Amino acid sequence: KNEVEQSPQNLTAQEGEFITINCSYSVGISALHWLQQHPGGGIVSLFMLSSGKKKHGRLIATINIQEKHSSLHITASHPRDSAVYICAATEDTGNQFYFGTGTSLTVIP
Amino acid sequence: DGGITQSPKYLFRKEGQNVTLSCEQNLNHDAMYWYRQDPGQGLRLIYYSQIVNDFQKGDIAEGYSVSREKKESFPLTVTSAQKNPTAFYLCASRDPGRRGYTFGSGTRLTVV
Repeated sequence: KNEVEQSPQNLTAQEGEFITINCSYSVGISALHWLQQHPGGGIVSLFMLSSGKKKHGRLIATINIQEKHSSLHITASHPRDSAVYICAATEDTGNQFYFGTGTSLTVIP
Repeated sequence: DGGITQSPKYLFRKEGQNVTLSCEQNLNHDAMYWYRQDPGQGLRLIYYSQIVNDFQKGDIAEGYSVSREKKESFPLTVTSAQKNPTAFYLCASRDPGRRGYTFGSGTRLTVV
């Protein structure tokens, strides 16, 4: 069993739709990260959070420490949001990343 | 602008040859990491270094070697002992104080 599980694996949405990607983890963590990987492979860190909720533009990330669950929401989705979104958890030293396998999002115009 | 530079973006090598992937950062970050990504799998840790002249094996270090002679540089050598070297390799660095991570754009290695 993976320490970090994401769902869904693949997601297709119409432009403008509200999107939710879920992440569950089974390890004790110090922080939960949401990463975005574009087709070229480069990764951008979207959020790092250890409690509550963070918002950046149309992106919102939430975490429930008790339930060991995090969600990434995209409001008013756009084709440029098409990418792979990866959930990752770090333990206390920060040297061990537990990665989910990613959610491939395609937003259709 | 500060960031991580990985080069080259695409690399082709013949089977049995060693190849070195470059990772340079100008963020003054102490810790640097190498990850490997295979289709349908999450990123897996190969090696990491917390300070200059020190590095530790990750989960899949066999067939790889690293060096950390300078704070800015953390090159990864994929040796001929690595059974399945074709993969996407990602370098990252971390600022321990802020616990923030920065990722490079990756190198896609194909061994033919």
